[in-house]
Parts: sequence; structure tokens; C-alpha cells
Amino acid sequence: QSVLTQPPSASKTPGQRVTISCSGSSSNIGSNSVNWYQQFPGTAPKLLIYSDNRRPSGVPDRFSGSKSGSSASLAISGLQSEDEADYYCAAWDDSLNGWVFGGGTKLTVL
Amino acid sequence: QVQLQESGPGLVKASQTLSLTCTVSGGSINSGGYYWNWIRQHPGKGLEWIGYIYHSGRTQYNPSLKSRVTISEDTSQNQFSLKLNSVTAADTAVYYCARSAILTGYIPFDYWGQGTLVAVSS
Repeated sequence: QSVLTQPPSASKTPGQRVTISCSGSSSNIGSNSVNWYQQFPGTAPKLLIYSDNRRPSGVPDRFSGSKSGSSASLAISGLQSEDEADYYCAAWDDSLNGWVFGGGTKLTVL
Repeated sequence: QVQLQESGPGLVKASQTLSLTCTVSGGSINSGGYYWNWIRQHPGKGLEWIGYIYHSGRTQYNPSLKSRVTISEDTSQNQFSLKLNSVTAADTAVYYCARSAILTGYIPFDYWGQGTLVAVSS
């Protein structure tokens, strides 16, 4: 049972926009930044979004993050087949005094 | 370009100690401004943060693993290590080392190792 809650799966067709949610509490998302990671099978996760909505160099602007209260969202516009991957949210939890992750969302691009 | 590489046994017997090392290249672990983390992923499951070490050897651990975990550093080898005691089958996972940068804001887990699978046998 993950501390942060994500939908287990999402599916869209190429070109569409998808939003993946991440729900937490006042001790994590409600008081700290949210970060998003993309993971392809058999590979290490890759940082996609940090500090709620900032993109590391090299990440396309099709990827965007937002946060409201104790929930956050990752949006991917102009979906491409290569976006098919698992996506994880993460935040520091002040109560647990450690990093917590969502359970991951498997994105299928039909 | 920073690179991290995990190394260690791929098979550990139950009740024994899991030991892994992360070798960092392209930057010094002793330079400050970075946290050096261990994260694991159970087969087919999500990510679990184990803990980190940072400048001067200070550590922070996941409370659920704290009693069994030790993270240490060897600055002469530019490495940091993970020891997990009294392992069980539940510790079978892919173990990643990862860097967090705190120089200009907090950028968590910006560089990762490729991961290493550790299986616990009974």
C-alpha cells in the first residue's frame, strides 16, 4: 500500500492528452514539492518533473506538472507511442521523515 | 556527466546481510550539495526509498527499514554502500542508487544507477 495514490493504469491514443493523478496528504504533497519519474521496462526511472512543475533539461514541454492542495497531476500532451511507460510520483513526507512514492501508473498508448 | 553503478552479490541467503556498493563517476560524493540514495523496487511493484547519506556522513533512513539498514561512504573510492541485515524473501528486489541535488533548489533522484537485482534464497 503506497503512501501516495495513483491510478494503476491509463490509456489514450496517439496525439491525445492524458492526465495522471497523485493523491497524498498534508504531510507530504500538501507541504512539499511533487516529483515525477518515467520508467520503461527493465530500466531505471528517469526524472521527468521536479518541484511540482519544473522540467529537467531535455524533457519535452509536452510533459507538465501541477499541484493543488494535497493532490498533484502529470499531464502529457500530444501523446506518442514512446510515452508508453510507468509513471511514479514522489514527495517528502514530514511525518515519516522520508521519501514516499506513488504505486505507479502504467500508461498505454493505443 | 555523472554516472552511478551498483555492484554486489545477486543472491543472498535468508537471515544474512545484503551488501551493495554504488560507484560514482563524473563527480565527487564528498563535494557537498548532493544526497546519495538507495531505492529499491520489488518485482513488478513500485519504488521504495531506503535512505540516503550526505556530506560528512550524515544519514537518513526509511523508518520501516531503519532497524536493519546502514548506509556508509568511502570517499577515497568515491563510493557509498548499503547494508541490509537479516534479509528475508521480502527483500528480493532491484536495488538502485540515485543522486539528489540540493545546490540550486532540491532536485530529487536526478541521476540513477542501472539497478541490480538481489534475490534472497531460503
